[in-house]
Amino acid sequence: QQQVKQSPQSLIVQKGGISIINCAYENTAFDYFPWYQQFPGKGPALLIAIRPDVSEKKEGRFTISFNKSAKQFSLHIMDSQPGDSATYFCAACNMLTFGGGTRLMVKP
Amino acid sequence: DTGVSQNPRHKITKRGQNVTFRCDPISEHNRLYWYRQTLGQGPEFLTYFQNEAQLEKSRLLSDRFSAERPKGSFSTLEIQRTEQGDSAMYLCASSPSVQETQYFGPGTRLLVL
Repeated sequence: QQQVKQSPQSLIVQKGGISIINCAYENTAFDYFPWYQQFPGKGPALLIAIRPDVSEKKEGRFTISFNKSAKQFSLHIMDSQPGDSATYFCAACNMLTFGGGTRLMVKP
Repeated sequence: DTGVSQNPRHKITKRGQNVTFRCDPISEHNRLYWYRQTLGQGPEFLTYFQNEAQLEKSRLLSDRFSAERPKGSFSTLEIQRTEQGDSAMYLCASSPSVQETQYFGPGTRLLVL
């Protein structure tokens, strides 16, 4: 049972554009929502995380928007750069339930 | 760099053989997690330890999978009688407590022939 659904599966964005990745969860007991970035052959690395008591968190070019009533959250990457090209995973809770991943390609 | 380390990084084995992977967490982290990641998918939680106690193992994929953390430091994940379907990346992560960020190692990529 997939408890965290992530979309889109792949995304192509021009350099300088905004990348938006969406996730929806089912379990209302989830209380921690991180986003991880993974490059080929590497383990996931934490990018940014949010708890459900806030609706938005921004760190540099990365912003999480959180909608508790809709059980949805999203990652926005502003001014996307070719170096952002990677696979991004949303996750929930602490024995992390991961989404299926979004492969982002930023074209120069 | 004192991040999470995993060994070996790559393992090729024949079907039916046993394999063991090692994870060394960040030294002050008392929680250690194992995940499996297949190509194109997100990591799938397998089991976790708080210090030497294995607190969740019901999501280990079968009784061929077992994990230990005998002294609350490094951990091992063993797969007995490997099958081709076990081919995947096995990831280890650690955290200082249940509410903190998990830090992942580079993974061990297993190929079962």
